[in-house]
Amino acid sequence: GAGVSQTPSNKVTEKGKYVELRCDPISGHTALYWYRQSLGQGPEFLIYFQGTGAADDSGLPNDRFFAVRPEGSVSTLKIQRTERGDSAVYLCASSLGTGDGEKLFFGSGTQLSVL
Amino acid sequence: DQQVKQNSPSLSVQEGRISILNCDYTNSMFDYFLWYKKYPAEGPTFLISISSIKDKNEDGRFTVFLNKSAKHLSLHIVPSQPGDSAVYFCAASVTGNQFYFGTGTSLTVIP
Repeated sequence: GAGVSQTPSNKVTEKGKYVELRCDPISGHTALYWYRQSLGQGPEFLIYFQGTGAADDSGLPNDRFFAVRPEGSVSTLKIQRTERGDSAVYLCASSLGTGDGEKLFFGSGTQLSVL
Repeated sequence: DQQVKQNSPSLSVQEGRISILNCDYTNSMFDYFLWYKKYPAEGPTFLISISSIKDKNEDGRFTVFLNKSAKHLSLHIVPSQPGDSAVYFCAASVTGNQFYFGTGTSLTVIP
């Protein structure tokens, strides 16, 4: 596809369970970002990949959150022992990664609900 | 700590009039700024950007103004159209690093 694809679009899980959220960036985009958006808030930075490596993971709230991008394309955000406070829309974005005049292209997000 | 702030959560404007959305930032190292538009159940879409070496950038009905001394930027939409009704986010970054987003302003353009 032409845009950033995120699956699933909705995920309902129970407290304490493990979830994986997938992001398929625009082909050729080397930079990939994960953001979290709670109701009434702006996107909150979680982690940024340049290629396969995490260039900045300072936004991950705690060690229950982990993200990988093993081949420099698709990324998976993993949340262990989910808590109700993890409920939010998780947004993925990609960009060319050239550093200058970057534009982030966002997917539609995954709505995570932890019951 | 919120490095990018949008102090107006909502704004209503009559169709055909000018919409002005405001954004303030605290980090003087930011050198690149963007505006995004978001419809419900969709991801944010890029609208317009400006580098810190400029004080104005225009694209059709959209103009972004940057006042570095005041650490303030604004988005002007003129003339406003009903299809412009959405949530608008400003974002800022130090080139090559992560982007920080504001909390958004919900714009309603009244026909």
